[in-house]
Amino acid sequence: EVQVLESGGGLVQPGGSLRLSCAASGFNFHFYAMSWVRQAPGKGLQWVASISGSDGRTFHADSVKGRFTISRDNSKNMLFLQMNSLRTEDTAIYYCARDAVVAASRWFDSWGQGTLVTVSS
Amino acid sequence: SYVLTHPPSVSVAPGKTARITCDGHNLGNKIVHWYQQKPGQAPVLVMYYDNDRPSGIPERFSASSSGNTATLDIDRVEAGDEADYYCQVWDRSTEHVVFGGGTKLTVL
Repeated sequence: EVQVLESGGGLVQPGGSLRLSCAASGFNFHFYAMSWVRQAPGKGLQWVASISGSDGRTFHADSVKGRFTISRDNSKNMLFLQMNSLRTEDTAIYYCARDAVVAASRWFDSWGQGTLVTVSS
Repeated sequence: SYVLTHPPSVSVAPGKTARITCDGHNLGNKIVHWYQQKPGQAPVLVMYYDNDRPSGIPERFSASSSGNTATLDIDRVEAGDEADYYCQVWDRSTEHVVFGGGTKLTVL
């Protein structure tokens, strides 16, 4: 069974840093691209970042580019999101998701339960 | 950046067909995916690659796309279908994933 489990969320002050982790199991992790998607309280889904499975190529949303960095450790089946210079508008539930990538498209076929990040003074 | 627009809400009586739309420029030329999210839960993929269903998703769910509009149809709606629904595409020009703002489906 495919499982992804996020951890690392919490309360952080504006300008602070936080590192989210996602533990994957039940599939060949290194074959799959992975992503982070967030959801602010009462709002819709917002893509944050993606990383390919093989060459580690990364993509980041404009709203987090230069502040957040997605990475992975294929030897440990782990996905990470390093978040720096956090802002109040980064407050959200952060979901780890497994990507399905086919030539002309990308979608998310498995999701974790999410970890809450609250940025507040 | 590419924008996808949903109606904020759709209401339907049990047993009827719910139609949830998603609008975007030349959306019919893109590949659209759909997610269901119930309160307090993670999103679940319900349709992918325009009109394919993941295992476990009922045949009552179907999707189509043409022109500037993609549509998710839910036949014989049940109380358990009440949720937020999101469309999603991959914008090849920016290599960014884009979600619609979501539609809240209410079963009367």
